[in-house]
Amino acid sequence: AQSVTQPDIHITVSEGASLELRCNYSYGATPYLFWYVQSPGQGLQLLLKYFSGDTLVQGIKGFEAEFKRSQSSFNLRKPSVHWSDAAEYFCAVVANQAGTALIFGKGTTLSVSS
Amino acid sequence: DVKVTQSSRYLVKRTGEKVFLECVQDMDHENMFWYRQDPGLGLRLIYFSYDVKMKEKGDIPEGYSVSREKKERFSLILESASTNQTSMYLCASSLTTGADGYTFGSGTRLTVV
Repeated sequence: AQSVTQPDIHITVSEGASLELRCNYSYGATPYLFWYVQSPGQGLQLLLKYFSGDTLVQGIKGFEAEFKRSQSSFNLRKPSVHWSDAAEYFCAVVANQAGTALIFGKGTTLSVSS
Repeated sequence: DVKVTQSSRYLVKRTGEKVFLECVQDMDHENMFWYRQDPGLGLRLIYFSYDVKMKEKGDIPEGYSVSREKKERFSLILESASTNQTSMYLCASSLTTGADGYTFGSGTRLTVV
């Protein structure tokens, strides 16, 4: 069965510092991989996605993620964090076939200190 | 933009009540989903549907049922609400395999007292 692990429950980063949020997945083949963000009191917004091809994908708000098959990882990065990036971040995976559903990690809460 | 609309933002119900959570999407998506979100547990899949009148159990279907009579509408039903069903409920929709990602509604925060 597919599963997603986000090892960090809570991370605090200084404004302007770089950010990396970790995500590991378990799946037999290469799945579709996603990162979503949820700001307080808001719905989930898609940051970026990976299906195939270039293993470094660019998303919205200056985020990027790198797919590493050998490590079953899909870590999210941002070179310089802004206070507005404080939110909860979810990594998710879905199989490349109809009739399946996104499976989410438990999320990482990002706090940004000034 | 695809819009997924959940009928209620906040809902308070009594234990034992039958509760209906409604979700409507406006972009002709085949797939629709219900998740519940709890602190520290992330989003857990309750049920999903890949076609009208079709449904599949997710990871935590106990205590819930669903209905999809029309393509655009997917209802989550709590047959007899219990306090452990107090949660945030999120509806989502997607095309076919979900390759484009899912579009989520704003959520319904349900409190069962």
